Amino acid sequence: GAVVSQHPSWVICKSGTSVKIECRSLDFQATTMFWYRQFPKQSLMLMATSNEGSKATYEQGVEKDKFLINHASLTLSTLTVTSAHPEDSSFYICSASSAGGGGATYEQYFGPGTRLTVT
Amino acid sequence: SQKIEQNSEALNIQEGKTATLTCNYTNYSPAYLQWYRQDPGRGPVFLLLIRENEKEKRKERLKVTFDTTLKQSLFHITASQPADSATYLCALASQAGTALIFGKGTTLSVSS
Repeated sequence: GAVVSQHPSWVICKSGTSVKIECRSLDFQATTMFWYRQFPKQSLMLMATSNEGSKATYEQGVEKDKFLINHASLTLSTLTVTSAHPEDSSFYICSASSAGGGGATYEQYFGPGTRLTVT
Repeated sequence: SQKIEQNSEALNIQEGKTATLTCNYTNYSPAYLQWYRQDPGRGPVFLLLIRENEKEKRKERLKVTFDTTLKQSLFHITASQPADSATYLCALASQAGTALIFGKGTTLSVSS
């Protein structure tokens, strides 16, 4: 159980185009999903927190108009990188907390990540 | 500001030995701490969670300790195997359902 998938696993796009990344919780309902970014040999850095049915909360320094997040259902969140530039090339990872009977749980389960390369 | 440090970037040990990884934090009072394994090009995989009121947690060959006075967690892998080679990440959170703050990780290499 507790499986999170991401699609695509890797994508190459041209500078100026937009890319959408999907994050799905396959066997549980996720009231909260998180989007992280990881550069080579660096730690995961939180970009935004996404709650189902409401606007995402972005971390300081993350442009909300550039990284559009939608969490329309309890099993799906999407991250759209708009007008991508080479400096946006990174490893994007989502995670989800399962919604147990008593609310959110402590454990977070991560997707396999999406490697974005902007040329 | 909140800071998490994992004692070394890399740790090399021989097969069969116990690997001990350290996670220290400052300016933070986490409700719980998690350890993850990350293989190259993959997302983190959850290993163990320990709460602030717990001293030790075990799962098969893994053991985690949590000392809130020292602000430190130790992660042990006993009888290590080459398949244990990976990067291990320490992560903290203040409450359930909130985002995790990650350390940079320690890359463990187990040689046969």
